[in-house]
Amino acid sequence: LAKTTQPISMDSYEGQEVNITCSHNNIATNDYITWYQQFPSQGPRFIIQGYKTKVTNEVASLFIPADRKSSTLSLPRVSLSDTAVYYCLVGSQGNLIFGKGTKLSVKP
Amino acid sequence: SQTIHQWPATLVQPVGSPLSLECTVEGTSNPNLYWYRQAAGRGLQLLFYSVGIGQISSEVPQNLSASRPQDRQFILSSKKLLLSDSGFYLCAWRENTRNTEAFFGQGTRLTVV
Repeated sequence: LAKTTQPISMDSYEGQEVNITCSHNNIATNDYITWYQQFPSQGPRFIIQGYKTKVTNEVASLFIPADRKSSTLSLPRVSLSDTAVYYCLVGSQGNLIFGKGTKLSVKP
Repeated sequence: SQTIHQWPATLVQPVGSPLSLECTVEGTSNPNLYWYRQAAGRGLQLLFYSVGIGQISSEVPQNLSASRPQDRQFILSSKKLLLSDSGFYLCAWRENTRNTEAFFGQGTRLTVV
């Protein structure tokens, strides 16, 4: 499983766009990039997954450059309820290891 | 649809007592199953994962053990709890194919006193 590196924390204000970048220099050819969101006292919840270029769903967008050594989760117009820890995972099968994640704090 | 059940939601146990947490998944077959622990304010620590009945991989050496007696049942156990075993325990599953998302249970808040 490829190791990932994310910022420990980020602050934002309501209505802003937030971009969280994850580095995964050792990503393998078969690996997808998956992002999860975790609120306190809950299990992580899947947000978005991608392999290359751009993926968009109703919650977020995921940007992956051609070399796939990094990815950026984009949250448009965040609200207070987006305050959570965001995890970037890279891998395909077997164990599922979460890094420390990025603690996003959204302020009014 | 698939669902995951984890119980109990909260548990207070004395030091030295045994532990048994159970997790079951419905609506799928041969899932990958996972046990995690999260200490207060910390990240998710993978404890065990299983790709099939009787197949358990341990990620962290400790006084915990896991078993998978049935395809969709995953049990976390301890013979003697330590204070350091306190935390939030999460069970998760995902399909046994490449690049599938994981689904988590509601978690068990364990306090060892």
